[in-house]
Amino acid sequence: GESVGLHLPTLSVQEGDNSIINCAYSNSASDYFIWYKQESGKGPQFIIDIRSNMDKRQGQRVTVLLNKTVKHLSLQIAATQPGDSAVYFCAEDSTGGGNKLTFGTGTQLKVEL
Amino acid sequence: GAGVSQSPSNKVTEKGKDVELRCDPISGHTALYWYRQRLGQGLEFLIYFQGNSAPDKSGLPSDRFSAERTGESVSTLTIQRTQQEDSAVYLCASSPRRTGSGNTIYFGEGSWLTVV
Repeated sequence: GESVGLHLPTLSVQEGDNSIINCAYSNSASDYFIWYKQESGKGPQFIIDIRSNMDKRQGQRVTVLLNKTVKHLSLQIAATQPGDSAVYFCAEDSTGGGNKLTFGTGTQLKVEL
Repeated sequence: GAGVSQSPSNKVTEKGKDVELRCDPISGHTALYWYRQRLGQGLEFLIYFQGNSAPDKSGLPSDRFSAERTGESVSTLTIQRTQQEDSAVYLCASSPRRTGSGNTIYFGEGSWLTVV
């Protein structure tokens, strides 16, 4: 994928506001998508997933939207909290089972008090 | 422990040396994955093991990289004749089976490799 070097895209939001993190995926054959959260020094943690037969899925405080026409994925976080500060990655998969994920470059979310 | 365990957590090596990175998956997980993450970037798929099937090695960047897995347990990622561009965090993940769902893929905390 494209490299942004050390300068990840950054989204700064005020505590309590909603956050929207966007991702453009590359493979039109991808049929499974996952959002991960990665805190400093840790491995990625699963947040939410969606399959290509859906365009929206909701979890606890998070919603994923999928637009297959423009190959776009977004993650919405409601009432953003300081603990949400992390790097967020979208990942796509065309194997049907998440066995060979292709990750985006990530977005740094900073929550300001 | 209950999670995916990786060692060493940090490794500094001289250019040209070989390194081995170890991954202990969650007990009972038949699928195991290796990813590479360069500083400030996303994860790059390296290799995938599923039970006794032939591994998917399509992500290994060169023949200097190899990985083995003994049965459904420990895996070792070996990088021969390390180069500075190999500096990255190497992340291992495991899942119970050919999973079908991302919420059953668990990542370790990674091995940070620095080649000087």
